[in-house]
Amino acid sequence: NAGVMQNPRHLVRRRGQEARLRCSPMKGHSHVYWYRQLPEEGLKFMVYLQKENIIDESGMPKERFSAEFPKEGPSILRIQQVVRGDSAAYFCASSPVAGEHEQYFGPGTRLTVT
Amino acid sequence: GESVGLHLPTLSVQEGDNSIINCAYSNSASDYFIWYKQESGKGPQFIIDIRSNMDKRQGQRVTVLLNKTVKHLSLQIAATQPGDSAVYFCAENDPDSNYQLIWGAGTKLIIKP
Repeated sequence: NAGVMQNPRHLVRRRGQEARLRCSPMKGHSHVYWYRQLPEEGLKFMVYLQKENIIDESGMPKERFSAEFPKEGPSILRIQQVVRGDSAAYFCASSPVAGEHEQYFGPGTRLTVT
Repeated sequence: GESVGLHLPTLSVQEGDNSIINCAYSNSASDYFIWYKQESGKGPQFIIDIRSNMDKRQGQRVTVLLNKTVKHLSLQIAATQPGDSAVYFCAENDPDSNYQLIWGAGTKLIIKP
């Protein structure tokens, strides 16, 4: 039973480029959460999605960031025109039921903006 | 705003000894707390949780203690092993959300051989 999968594990982008981060939830999970983690800090909630719906995007910057979870395929966190401040680890978590505190985390994508 | 904080950023413990990681929270309305373990290069892993109607909860080699009077949470790891080396985060629920957690900054646990 595979856990939460994220790819790529490491991503390097130049300023102004786009970053696409993918997350496949655990089998049977239809709720996905994205978090950002800066070095030596805790995780910061960004967005909560169900299949084809954004439930809560209160933690996501209004500009340049978007997320989707299509009916088929992984959830995608998209960052347009990246800046150095976007460098961080981005984690995806999933849960089997709606709005669940016990979430299962993926290994993360470490984004470096040069 | 209110947040969860940790007393010690780094904790060094001799292998075989018990480890105690402390956490302070400030939101008196929080009623659910979780400890996560994050190994280098990996995502957070759920360790144990506790609700505010309990003072203590035990798992396998781990115990979480909750003192609501002083808003303090601790994680005790018995007979610490090299595999326990990680950053440990405490998190409290956001009372206004069913799923959002407020995370502390983390404590790095180092095991000395």
